[in-house]
Amino acid sequence: DAGVIQSPRHEVTEMGQEVTLRCKPISGHDYLFWYRQTMMRGLELLIYFNNNVPIDDSGMPEDRFSAKMPNASFSTLKIQPSEPRDSAVYFCASSHRSPFNYGYTFGSGTRLTVV
Amino acid sequence: GENVEQHPSTLSVQEGDSAVIKCTYSDSASNYFPWYKQELGKGPQLIIDIRSNVGEKKDQRIAVTLNKTAKHFSLHITETQPEDSAVYFCAASIAASGTYKYIFGTGTRLKVLA
Repeated sequence: DAGVIQSPRHEVTEMGQEVTLRCKPISGHDYLFWYRQTMMRGLELLIYFNNNVPIDDSGMPEDRFSAKMPNASFSTLKIQPSEPRDSAVYFCASSHRSPFNYGYTFGSGTRLTVV
Repeated sequence: GENVEQHPSTLSVQEGDSAVIKCTYSDSASNYFPWYKQELGKGPQLIIDIRSNVGEKKDQRIAVTLNKTAKHFSLHITETQPEDSAVYFCAASIAASGTYKYIFGTGTRLKVLA
């Protein structure tokens, strides 16, 4: 089991550019989560999917952020246009059971720097 | 809104001593409380969890206790080792508007001094 795979590990981009982060969940996991981690705000849930359907996107900061899960093995988080305040580590996590009662497996994260 | 408070924010202990991290939560309906360990440059990793029908759970050198009445839970690490140095996060599950998710605490940076 390769775990949750995220790419790229690091991304540096200029303000205004489009950024796409990618995630491959663990095979068989029905839930996929996108988190953002910053020193100021800690770990914030952005959005989560169940069986490829977005369930809760209330954490998505604004319309510049969008997430998709076209199939059970792939998800993307897109920021367009990017801004310096989007700089953070973005984590993807997956779970095969209800997030109300079970733990997640996190990926290693994508460190995004917007200059 | 729902929140989870975590204390202390930093903790330094001598190798071999015990470490205790405490969290309180606000949603009385929360029934699942995981703890995650995050090492530098890595994602959080689940190390232990407890459900509301249990008061204590132990796994080797780590244990978690839960007091539902007081709405607080704690992580206990005994015989600490340098490799225990990391940031630890508590979390509590919540149900809101038909969806389920965690609220994470703000983290505790544990340093084990050799």
